[in-house]
Amino acid sequence: GAGVSQSPSNKVTEKGKDVELRCDPISGHTALYWYRQSLGQGLEFLIYFQGNSAPDKSGLPSDRFSAERTGGSVSTLTIQRTQQEDSAVYLCASSLVPPGSGEDTQYFGPGTRLTVL
Amino acid sequence: QKEVEQNSGPLSVPEGAIASLNCTYSDRVSQSFFWYRQYSGKSPELIMSIYSNGDKEDGRFTAQLNKASQYVSLLIRDSQPSDSATYLCAVDRDDKIIFGKGTRLHILP
Repeated sequence: GAGVSQSPSNKVTEKGKDVELRCDPISGHTALYWYRQSLGQGLEFLIYFQGNSAPDKSGLPSDRFSAERTGGSVSTLTIQRTQQEDSAVYLCASSLVPPGSGEDTQYFGPGTRLTVL
Repeated sequence: QKEVEQNSGPLSVPEGAIASLNCTYSDRVSQSFFWYRQYSGKSPELIMSIYSNGDKEDGRFTAQLNKASQYVSLLIRDSQPSDSATYLCAVDRDDKIIFGKGTRLHILP
């Protein structure tokens, strides 16, 4: 596709439910990133994939968060037993090459706004 | 020291003037530096990337990188009301891109 796409655009869920967020990166981009942005705050790094592997999972805030990427393309971020503090915009980005490789510009998707009631 | 630091602002600049946004970073081995613009309620979008010391110009935007002093700046010439947004500085570190919290820029008509 022309850009990074994410679905759903909005998700309202009840506390304790599981949610799955999807990211479809730009075709051919090997690196994929998930971030979280709370209202009025900066970007909080969650996880980075190079191909299908995640060399850095340090940003995941708890074991309720997990992510996978299959076929070097689509990625899903799963939040189990959601809590109200999980409410935020979840942004996905992709880049052609890994970070620090030069030309590693990240292109962002439109985000998924998650609201946990 | 925070990894990427920016003044949160708001920075108010009259229309037509030069807006200067600054960012400092802590990791001396960082090689890639980015400026993103984020409008309220929207995703960040790339303004400039810079990889070498010195200036890089693109239209009304100039990025300046000084690796010895570990700072990167963004100049916006002939500021327009449409430039009002939050500007995010981002720097590579290890296998991550670290973002600053952003500077809110307000262009006064």
